[in-house]
Amino acid sequence: ETGVTQSPTHLIKTRGQQVTLRCSSQSGHNTVSWYQQALGQGPQFIFQYYREEENGRGNFPPRFSGLQFPNYSSELNVNALELDDSALYLCASTPPDRGGDTQYFGPGTRLTVL
Amino acid sequence: KQEVTQIPAALSVPEGENLVLNCSFTDSAIYNLQWFRQDPGKGLTSLLLIQSSQREQTSGRLNASLDKSSGRSTLYIAASQPGDSATYLCAVSGNTPLVFGKGTRLSVIA
Repeated sequence: ETGVTQSPTHLIKTRGQQVTLRCSSQSGHNTVSWYQQALGQGPQFIFQYYREEENGRGNFPPRFSGLQFPNYSSELNVNALELDDSALYLCASTPPDRGGDTQYFGPGTRLTVL
Repeated sequence: KQEVTQIPAALSVPEGENLVLNCSFTDSAIYNLQWFRQDPGKGLTSLLLIQSSQREQTSGRLNASLDKSSGRSTLYIAASQPGDSATYLCAVSGNTPLVFGKGTRLSVIA
């Protein structure tokens, strides 16, 4: 158990819809990263938030956006869903003063786009 | 652009065997390398983290080595057990957050 939780566990949407995924990190973890893992692939970095500000972004279009709240929980929003957005979405939190590489992963949200 | 490759993609072994999983990366300017375990449909569990200045790390039956200059890492699993069946991912960090390989899917047959 990493103490990182994600909701919902599973989600089914149709093309063109919008979706919001949520992540609750361990208390005091002020950095959160989001990853997309397509079937049979390794996770790909979407973006990272540090103290409520975006702190790095991978090769994902602007319709992928995020928020981090004062309690360091986080949201991933995806607009205009496409079939290829079907994937496992993972969030990972990092404790302060441990560097960006000590990441604790949540169990993920499985998104299916029909 | 950093690329991480894992070989083999899948591996099936009988219980009790020792085995080696391989990971290679194209850019040797890394901060560290990590090995993760992922059970089907689940999140990632960190197994071992090797800092760029280190050569290896051990945890129980697991031993990971790192040769930064050649861009290679191996994960050695001793006396494999059916409970070791999972996908094993390696990931490197450098100027960007973690870059992952596609993983090796391991099946240990009782």
